[in-house]
Amino acid sequence: AQTVTQSQPEMSVQEAETVTLSCTYDTSESDYYLFWYKQPPSRQMILVIRQEAYKQQNATENRFSVNFQKAAKSFSLKISDSQLGDAAMYFCAYNEEGGSEKLVFGKGTKLTVNP
Amino acid sequence: DTGVSQDPRHKITKRGQNVTFRCDPISEHNRLYWYRQTLGQGPEFLTYFQNEAQLEKSRLLSDRFSAERPKGSFSTLEIQRTEQGDSAMYLCASSFRGRGLGDTQYFGPGTRLTVL
Repeated sequence: AQTVTQSQPEMSVQEAETVTLSCTYDTSESDYYLFWYKQPPSRQMILVIRQEAYKQQNATENRFSVNFQKAAKSFSLKISDSQLGDAAMYFCAYNEEGGSEKLVFGKGTKLTVNP
Repeated sequence: DTGVSQDPRHKITKRGQNVTFRCDPISEHNRLYWYRQTLGQGPEFLTYFQNEAQLEKSRLLSDRFSAERPKGSFSTLEIQRTEQGDSAMYLCASSFRGRGLGDTQYFGPGTRLTVL
């Protein structure tokens, strides 16, 4: 079974600084997708960024970028120029191409942004 | 595009009662997923529908749980004879499965269930 591990239960960053959240996963598949979702307190889960495993180029979305290392099964999220609104739980998730494509989530990392 | 909606947002019930939650997906999304999220954990998959067909159920989905998606539009999740261990956030997500493309799931705000 696929598993997703987020080894940092909590992280903090100063406003305007850069922070990196770690994620590793375990799978024997070659075609899959990886996601980072953000869940602000008492608000719904929203997609931050998505990476297709067949793409070598790391995905970027404005201040958010990933470091995807397929051989190492590592998928970290870098947030640049951190803003107060970035404070949230961040979940790394995996799904497999084909079939139900259900998401397998890590336990999350709580990010605090200090002014 | 009004997003995924869920109703109710909060539900408090007594142990042994039945509860039903509703999810309205993004229109024209053909896939709908239910997840359960307990405190301090990531969401866990419960079940999913492609159109009106329920194609996969997790082992987490005991026989007290049932889900439907009549006509491939909204979905309901019913829990019978609720137990305190059912207390959790129940999340719904929808996606469009197109040819040759992996889907991105969009989540609703969730229904928080508290069983007393």
